Amino acid sequence: GQNIDQPTEMTATEGAIVQINCTYQTSGFNGLFWYQQHAGEAPTFLSYNVLDGLEEKGRFSSFLSRSKGYSYLLLKELQMKDSASYLCAVRRLMDTDKLIFGTGTRLQVFP
Amino acid sequence: KAGVTQTPRYLIKTRGQQVTLSCSPISGHRSVSWYQQTPGQGLQFLFEYFSETQRNKGNFPGRFSGRQFSNSRSEMNVSTLELGDSALYLCASRMGADEETQYFGPGTRLLVL
Repeated sequence: GQNIDQPTEMTATEGAIVQINCTYQTSGFNGLFWYQQHAGEAPTFLSYNVLDGLEEKGRFSSFLSRSKGYSYLLLKELQMKDSASYLCAVRRLMDTDKLIFGTGTRLQVFP
Repeated sequence: KAGVTQTPRYLIKTRGQQVTLSCSPISGHRSVSWYQQTPGQGLQFLFEYFSETQRNKGNFPGRFSGRQFSNSRSEMNVSTLELGDSALYLCASRMGADEETQYFGPGTRLLVL
């Protein structure tokens, strides 16, 4: 089966750095996605990792280690607008049209 | 380019009724996936359509069904509604079969009373 784990909630201060971890167990791994979802809104795409290593995109970076079944999303220079849920999702080779989501990490940024 | 649109945005139904939700993908996108989002379970995959064919289905009862039209617009139907069907129903589109990234619509929030 598949299992994706993320912390349920995290808090951080404006201007700080926060790392949101995601661990997964799945067969036929074919990529990991991070989405941001503000309350009452659609998830928006942040990043996609299929090879090991760090992908940097502005204030956001995403890291993947396939051998460890581990990813993290790093948010730098936190802003109040970064308060949202962050969803980790895995794609499998045999089900490329289906994403398997974790339950999400709700991040609250305080001034 | 317009994003994924879903109608209606909000819906209230009673147990036993049926409901149809609509999704229009981004122009040029041929794949549409549907997800159910609840606080306890997170996002769960319902089904995916590509070129009017259902290619994959999640672990939901037969009360949940869908279809896709030749213009790639998709509908999902839930019959004999139950209280537990109350959720945010999200539709996501992507360009083709091998396109990695799915783009989500704003969702339809369904409340079953």
